[in-house]
Amino acid sequence: AQSVTQPDIHITVSEGASLELRCNYSYGATPYLFWYVQSPGQGLQLLLKYFSGDTLVQGIKGFEAEFKRSQSSFNLRKPSVHWSDAAEYFCAVGDPSGGSYIPTFGRGTSLIVHP
Amino acid sequence: EAQVTQNPRYLITVTGKKLTVTCSQNMNHEYMSWYRQDPGLGLRQIYYSMNVEVTDKGDVPEGYKVSRKEKRNFPLILESPSPNQTSLYFCASSLRGFNYGYTFGSGTRLTVV
Repeated sequence: AQSVTQPDIHITVSEGASLELRCNYSYGATPYLFWYVQSPGQGLQLLLKYFSGDTLVQGIKGFEAEFKRSQSSFNLRKPSVHWSDAAEYFCAVGDPSGGSYIPTFGRGTSLIVHP
Repeated sequence: EAQVTQNPRYLITVTGKKLTVTCSQNMNHEYMSWYRQDPGLGLRQIYYSMNVEVTDKGDVPEGYKVSRKEKRNFPLILESPSPNQTSLYFCASSLRGFNYGYTFGSGTRLTVV
């Protein structure tokens, strides 16, 4: 069974600074990987996903993520954070083999943006 | 606009009073799922459905029921709500399968007193 860890419960950055949110997974092969964002009072919105191919994935809202097989990681990055990026971010892992129908979500990282 | 619609957004009810949270999607998705979100516990799946009349339990199904009589609708039923079901609930749907990514509804905040 797959698992996913988001080591940081909270991250605080200043507006305009760069951002990296960490995600580590456990899976026997290359999984499907996702990042979602949850703004206050809203549902989760898919930022980007990785299935295969180019390990650097571009998403919406200026986010990107890089799949690193050697580190079992899929970290989310943004070069310059805006105050509107303050939200909860979830990494998720899916099983391409069909062994599990259900993706596994991390517990989330809360991003705080200081002016 | 492609979306998943949940109703109501907020609900306060009393212990034991049956309630239904509706979920509807307009994307012709086959796969639908219910999650609950609790502080410190993240997202936990309650039930899921892979097509009309096909449903199965997720990680935390106790105290909940679902039905999938039509492709677009996937209501969540609490026959006898209890305070430990106070939570934020999300409905989600997917075209290709759960492992391919979800579209989520805006959530229903339920309080059981």
